[in-house]
Amino acid sequence: QSVLTQPPSVSAAPGQKVTISCSGSSSNIGNNYVSWYQQLPGTAPKLLIYENNKRPSGIPDRFSGSKSGTSATLGITGLQTGDEADYYCGTWDSSLSVWVFGGGTKLTVL
Amino acid sequence: EVQLVESGGGLVQPGGSLRLSCAASGFTFSSYDMHWVRQATGKGLEWVSAIGTAGDTYYPGSVKGRFTISRENAKNSLYLQMNSLRAGDTAVYYCARAVNGDWFDPWGQGTLVTVSS
Repeated sequence: QSVLTQPPSVSAAPGQKVTISCSGSSSNIGNNYVSWYQQLPGTAPKLLIYENNKRPSGIPDRFSGSKSGTSATLGITGLQTGDEADYYCGTWDSSLSVWVFGGGTKLTVL
Repeated sequence: EVQLVESGGGLVQPGGSLRLSCAASGFTFSSYDMHWVRQATGKGLEWVSAIGTAGDTYYPGSVKGRFTISRENAKNSLYLQMNSLRAGDTAVYYCARAVNGDWFDPWGQGTLVTVSS
């Protein structure tokens, strides 16, 4: 049972848009920055979004992040088959003094 | 190029010990907090430990008292000493650099630890 809650899976057609939610509490998302990670099959996780809504260099603007209260959202537009991956949100939990991740969301591009 | 390379994984019996290493290059290692994160096959990411630039350490309850994270700045290396290993510790272990304490970038390629008799 993850501290942060993500939907297990989402799917959409190529070219469409999808959003992935990440729900937490005031001790984690509510008071700390959220980051998002993409894990392509058989590879290590890769930073996608940091500080709620910033993209590292090299990450296309098709990927976006937002945060409101105790929830965060990852958005992906113009879906491509290469976007098929597992996506994880993560943040620090100030009450537990641990880093927490969501359970992960598997994106399928139909 | 900023790079992290883990090593030291392998097969170990329940109750045994293993020491993982993570070699860092391409950045000033001593200036960054470092973390270990693991992933069991088919499962999600689980944070394992962290060490700050001052040597302060952090662990979740699942490994506290059994795992010890350490660093050797002169060798640009991060370590994870794992004792009293259990089947549930079987996973790929990744090291990751923490930037501003708020996000992980980059991650290493991972090293597989299998705890089985």
